[in-house]
Amino acid sequence: GEDVEQSLFLSVREGDSSVINCTYTDSSSTYLYWYKQEPGAGLQLLTYIFSNMDMKQDQRLTVLLNKKDKHLSLRIADTQTGDSAIYFCAESGNFGNEKLTFGTGTRLTIIP
Amino acid sequence: GAGVSQSPSNKVTEKGKDVELRCDPISGHTALYWYRQSLGQGLEFLIYFQGNSAPDKSGLPSDRFSAERTGGSVSTLTIQRTQQEDSAVYLCASSSEEGLYQNTEAFFGQGTRLTVV
Repeated sequence: GEDVEQSLFLSVREGDSSVINCTYTDSSSTYLYWYKQEPGAGLQLLTYIFSNMDMKQDQRLTVLLNKKDKHLSLRIADTQTGDSAIYFCAESGNFGNEKLTFGTGTRLTIIP
Repeated sequence: GAGVSQSPSNKVTEKGKDVELRCDPISGHTALYWYRQSLGQGLEFLIYFQGNSAPDKSGLPSDRFSAERTGGSVSTLTIQRTQQEDSAVYLCASSSEEGLYQNTEAFFGQGTRLTVV
């Protein structure tokens, strides 16, 4: 079955770049997503990438996809205190298998 | 309402009791998902509805768990004879007709925190 893995913790100094990594096993993944969960809140979609792309940039966010290695990363430039949250990588399969499979989440802590 | 609404937001129940968790999706969203988030764990898929039918219920952990959806809208997740390991945050999400294949965003509710004592 599908499996999505992330490291659990990341600490970054304010103003530096954060890079959150994710690996997945389902080669039929169609879309890959990054969700953000702030304390006491639900999940919010940050960005996504289609599986035939290798990079997507959206303001401070850059998503890199290495489909061969099944590796996805999220880079947050100029990390701010408001970026403190848990970041979840997720993937969805082909049509007919739309469920999102999530990783364990990476807790990003910003050091002042 | 504007977003996915879940109730109750918190539920404390005694071991062995039954509980019902409710999800009101965004109006017009035909796809509805239930996930479970345990402490320190990722999101575990439970069940997916398209309209009132559930094409994928593979994530329900045991026969104590069931879910239904009526009128293509509200969904109820029922846990019978609750156990302490059922303690978690139960999240509901909905998306529009095309489903995730068309990359329609899944919107999540705030979740129901279930504590079994």
